[in-house]
Amino acid sequence: QSVLTQPPSVSGAPGQRVTISCTGSSSNIGAGYDVHWYQQLPGTAPKLLIYGNTNRPSGVPDRFSGSKSGTSASLAITGLQAEDESDYYCQSYDNSLNGVFGTGTKVTVL
Amino acid sequence: EVQLVQSGAEVKKPGESLKISCKGSGYSFTNYWIGWVRQMPGKGLEWMGIIYPGDSDTRYSPSFQGQVTISADKSINTAYLQWSSLKASDTAMYYCARQPLRNYLDYWGQGTLVTVSS
Repeated sequence: QSVLTQPPSVSGAPGQRVTISCTGSSSNIGAGYDVHWYQQLPGTAPKLLIYGNTNRPSGVPDRFSGSKSGTSASLAITGLQAEDESDYYCQSYDNSLNGVFGTGTKVTVL
Repeated sequence: EVQLVQSGAEVKKPGESLKISCKGSGYSFTNYWIGWVRQMPGKGLEWMGIIYPGDSDTRYSPSFQGQVTISADKSINTAYLQWSSLKASDTAMYYCARQPLRNYLDYWGQGTLVTVSS
């Protein structure tokens, strides 16, 4: 059902920078809908990480940043920490006014 | 403090009906959409649909249209997700979440695990 494509996994050493891509189409991200990102730690509910492409909710470290261009978006984690090991999902809307999630990316800290 | 509290885990047999709930508190329940998200075992997040408790405007993702019913009772600040005839493939964790105007999900319930097995 996912119409937003993410890499299955990314990894990095502590302190490094990793990026996660989220590729959509002209009917969702490319149509101008915002992209949002969620972090899901094992066994827990997802948590909002980035909203409106680039905004961090209160309490989210500034190591996390988001960007959007054309039909794609990206999440960057700088200064990778062990606690960042988690699953990450992007989310947007489509022209049918339905929400759509990305396929999900597992981040591993080496 | 904004909270969404979901009903407890359920174990059902195929063909049975089920209604799970999501109670909001700490905010104006009628002024925000409530979305439902499915996560099958070991899989990703799937958008099921959303409801605006203020007027019960409801939208379903095409994959879930006709498979589930989303409703809300604004008098008790509670949203619901229900099935009339469960299948084994409905086994999953189900989350409710609050959606403000900009279409993101800012507060999530703790999840309700639904297990369907004969």
